[in-house]
Amino acid sequence: QQPVQSPQAVILREGEDAVINCSSSKALYSVHWYRQKHGEAPVFLMILLKGGEQKGHEKISASFNEKKQQSSLYLTASQLSYSGTYFCGTENEYSGGGADGLTFGKGTHLIIQP
Amino acid sequence: DAGVIQSPRHEVTEMGQEVTLRCKPISGHDYLFWYRQTMMRGLELLIYFNNNVPIDDSGMPEDRFSAKMPNASFSTLKIQPSEPRDSAVYFCASSLTNRGTEAFFGQGTRLTVV
Repeated sequence: QQPVQSPQAVILREGEDAVINCSSSKALYSVHWYRQKHGEAPVFLMILLKGGEQKGHEKISASFNEKKQQSSLYLTASQLSYSGTYFCGTENEYSGGGADGLTFGKGTHLIIQP
Repeated sequence: DAGVIQSPRHEVTEMGQEVTLRCKPISGHDYLFWYRQTMMRGLELLIYFNNNVPIDDSGMPEDRFSAKMPNASFSTLKIQPSEPRDSAVYFCASSLTNRGTEAFFGQGTRLTVV
């Protein structure tokens, strides 16, 4: 089942902050975050494994609350290069016979204006 | 490594024709995934392989779709016969394992069925 992302779209001025949320109805093993620019392939940002960890990647960080089955991606002091569509991908904790594969949300479109 | 390689990059075909999409995963990666991306549905997992064996094909939309992985360095996704609603970008991705590791995406094949 597809994770749910919110908001669907965000428009920011350069330097502003944004938060993108991802939630699942199933217990999660991990959450992946990817960014995709128009006409290009999704590019990996980070993985968070169960355990409630938080990770950082330059000015982009994320948290994972396994109890709530939620993850959030934080973009601080946004830059023009941050524009694109952000996807969360989830791996379920329990799966019959093997893992289910990475299931993606529908994405959050982020537009950064100068 | 050159990354995941997909061909062709663009394909335009007439309804009813057979279409074959190709993928070469990163050497040493045990898992290969096929995704379809549309505006309406986002990134959908169609099928994935582990060591050349199909593990989960529950995302394959219809019997018109089939996928094979004859060896560790090559996979195909075939649509026969193709229909206009199959128009989408098809991505192939590979990863070292299926749990908690980064998926590397190819550049995708943009399929247009007229």
